[in-house]
Amino acid sequence: EVQLVQSGAEVKKPGESLKISCKGSGYDFTNYWIGWVRQMPGKGLEWMGLIYPGDSDTRYSPSFQGQVTLSADKSINTAYLQWSSLRASDSAIYYCVRGGGHWGQGTLVTVSS
Amino acid sequence: QAVVTQEPSLTVSPGGTVTLTCGSSTGAVTSTHYPYWFQQKPGQAPRTLIYDTNNKHSWTPARFSGSLLGGKAALTLSGAQPEDEAEYYCLLFYSGLRGLFGGGTKLTVL
Repeated sequence: EVQLVQSGAEVKKPGESLKISCKGSGYDFTNYWIGWVRQMPGKGLEWMGLIYPGDSDTRYSPSFQGQVTLSADKSINTAYLQWSSLRASDSAIYYCVRGGGHWGQGTLVTVSS
Repeated sequence: QAVVTQEPSLTVSPGGTVTLTCGSSTGAVTSTHYPYWFQQKPGQAPRTLIYDTNNKHSWTPARFSGSLLGGKAALTLSGAQPEDEAEYYCLLFYSGLRGLFGGGTKLTVL
């Protein structure tokens, strides 16, 4: 069974860094891209970008280029989304999704002073 | 950057048929946009109904189908059920596998 399991909710202060994860199981992790999606409170889905874990080829949405970093460690079947300096406006639920459409359960990120 | 358009809201009667569409500001939607359709209910993660235009998952109810129609991607629901009331999003991929969601369609079954 294909599963994507994301790391737990985070509460951070503005300016702090953060790395959240998405662990895949039940399939060859290197054969499918992993995408990241933002959903701000009460809003729609926003595509952030994707990564191919096999070679770490990364494609960012222009809106998120330079704002976040996608990475992956294929040795542990895990993809990451990270921020170097969080803002209050980064508060949202973040989902990972695999090529073909299997979703993680989401990670709630709250950034507040 | 391209814009992906969906109907903001639609209403369907129980047992009725409705088609949701997904258009692109750059021109006709084709299979090379690899259209995806997702359903999201309040407080839940999205789930994929259709990928790559018309492919279903094992959990996709048979009453949902995907296609290309009149230059757009389309999601057709035949025989609507009360549990189909939800927000529906399409996702298109552009050059360089850069994805873009539509704004979502709020479907009411009434």
